[in-house]
Amino acid sequence: GAGVSQSPRYKVAKRGQDVALRCDPISGHVSLFWYQQALGQGPEFLTYFQNEAQLDKSGLPSDRFFAERPEGSVSTLKIQRTQQEDSAVYLCASSSRVESIYGYTFGSGTRLTVV
Amino acid sequence: KQEVTQIPAALSVPEGENLVLNCSFTDSAIYNLQWFRQDPGKGLTSLLLIQSSQREQTSGRLNASLDKSSGRSTLYIAASQPGDSATYLCAVIFSGNTGKLIFGQGTTLQVKP
Repeated sequence: GAGVSQSPRYKVAKRGQDVALRCDPISGHVSLFWYQQALGQGPEFLTYFQNEAQLDKSGLPSDRFFAERPEGSVSTLKIQRTQQEDSAVYLCASSSRVESIYGYTFGSGTRLTVV
Repeated sequence: KQEVTQIPAALSVPEGENLVLNCSFTDSAIYNLQWFRQDPGKGLTSLLLIQSSQREQTSGRLNASLDKSSGRSTLYIAASQPGDSATYLCAVIFSGNTGKLIFGQGTTLQVKP
């Protein structure tokens, strides 16, 4: 596609519910990143994929967070047993370069509200 | 710890004014520094990217500078317009971090007509 697509745009979850957030990167982009952006803050790194390999997951805040990219294209970020502190915008970005030092395209994000 | 800091957190200026947004980072060993714009409810749009070997980049009314030795970057916006109202984010890829952007908290700019 022409850009990075994320779905759903908005998600309201009851505390304790599991959620799955989807990212469709630009076709052929090797690198894919997930970021979490709390209200009024800058995005914070969660995890990085190079093709289907998850090379860095150091930013995932707990073992309730899990990300996958099984075929090296679409990625899913799953959050189990959601808690109120998980409320944030989740951004996905992709890049055509392996080391992604030449720029990224960001999606519009998924706004998760845990009630 | 590798950190990026932006000041001020918010800025309000009258239309037509020139302005400077500041960004500082804790480690001079970087791959590059980028400035992004974020409109409410939207994703991030890349404005300018400065490679480690460069001192500045320009695009239209925007000019970004980089001083690695002092750990600082500035984004200069000339002749500001109401359409420039948005949050501006500075992000750094530190050496040794494969592609991982470290963001500042952002500066929310309001340009009043």
